[in-house]
Amino acid sequence: DIQMTQSPSSLSASVGDRVTITCRASQIINTFLNWYQQKPGKPPKLLMHAPSSLQSGVPSRFSGSGSGTDFTLTISSLQAEDFATYYCLQTHKTPYTFGQGTKLEIK
Amino acid sequence: EVQLVESGGGLVQPGGSLRLSCTASGFTFSTSWMTWVRQAPGKGLEWVANIKGDGSEKDSVASVRGRFTISRDNAKNSLYLQMSNLRAEDTAVYYCATLRGAADTRFFDYWGQGTLVTVSS
Repeated sequence: DIQMTQSPSSLSASVGDRVTITCRASQIINTFLNWYQQKPGKPPKLLMHAPSSLQSGVPSRFSGSGSGTDFTLTISSLQAEDFATYYCLQTHKTPYTFGQGTKLEIK
Repeated sequence: EVQLVESGGGLVQPGGSLRLSCTASGFTFSTSWMTWVRQAPGKGLEWVANIKGDGSEKDSVASVRGRFTISRDNAKNSLYLQMSNLRAEDTAVYYCATLRGAADTRFFDYWGQGTLVTVSS
């Protein structure tokens, strides 16, 4: 199975900060990498796929990059509504696997 | 508007069975891959199973293989997850989602609100 190692597991930041979350795959997954945002009690929301394609309706302050095994999600200027948990997901091969999540908290 | 509504969750004893349903609307269900993803309380996300639009291809994570069966009824725009021999570690919120893709991408885009399955005596 492909292991997805996401870091950091938690992050404290302030509104207006630039933050970066990384995800590393245990083998090459080309561009089959997605990013999701999840708020408590809600389903995950797709932010990015491919991994730099912004999902419709997602603010442009979110961006993604990477290919192969190393990927990043960047939020250019944090807004209050961005405080949530973020997950990466590889869909290169089944079993599809998620990273363990990054909880983004208000400093 | 795409809508996915899960149902069928509840409390079940270890070794018991449960069937989850996901009713879809707002898109062409019969040609859409669908997936189940679960999340144990306070934990991360875990992919459970996929099924192709016509039901001809299925796949699932090893931990549920032989116990869970994914299926669909395109006439009813419904996706199912038949769960048997349930264990405490199957306790989770179960989400259904649409699975879309192209040559270089594959992603779960629309999600239901989830249904909670609790396995406990």
